Amino acid sequence: DSGVTQTPKHLITATGQRVTLRCSPRSGDLSVYWYQQSLDQGLQFLIQYYNGEERAKGNILERFSAQQFPDLHSELNLSSLELGDSALYFCASSVARGSGELFFGEGSRLTVL
Amino acid sequence: EDKVVQSPLSLVVHEGDTVTLNCSYEVTNFRSLLWYKQEKKAPTFLFMLTSSGIEKKSGRLSSILDKKELFSILNITATQTGDSAVYLCAVDCTSGTYKYIFGTGTRLKVLA
Repeated sequence: DSGVTQTPKHLITATGQRVTLRCSPRSGDLSVYWYQQSLDQGLQFLIQYYNGEERAKGNILERFSAQQFPDLHSELNLSSLELGDSALYFCASSVARGSGELFFGEGSRLTVL
Repeated sequence: EDKVVQSPLSLVVHEGDTVTLNCSYEVTNFRSLLWYKQEKKAPTFLFMLTSSGIEKKSGRLSSILDKKELFSILNITATQTGDSAVYLCAVDCTSGTYKYIFGTGTRLKVLA
């Protein structure tokens, strides 16, 4: 158990809908990272937050947004969903601002029908 | 463009075999290279390498980095079925702002 908690574990929804994925980092970790992993694809970095502030953006679509709250949990919002958004979404945390070992949650598997 | 390439893409071996997984990279600001093991869900951390030529070892797993030739290898000796997983290589090229590049992974299957 990495100490990173993600909910929900599984989610099935229809195209055009909006979903919210939630992540609680390990106790004491200030950085939260979101990744997308599609079938047979590597981990694609989406966005990073550090202590409530956005620090880096990767290949995140405009239909996606995220935030980190004062209690350090983070939410990833995915809207106007398309079939291609079906993937495993991982949250990771680290104590450092932007480097070092990442601890991953179990992921949220999103299926868009 | 920064990139990390892993080879082979997949590998099937028998228990007791030794395997070598490769990771090569081309990045503009190398800080460290990390190996992760991904079984069914979350990637779990194996090693972080920052210096060339220094082997990191954990049980039957070991890894080494060559910063001149820009690659790393992950060795697994006396493989077991529990070693079956996807092994991910990532390069930390953070420079002011966070940047990790992951390879697509090597899928290892160990047969009993």
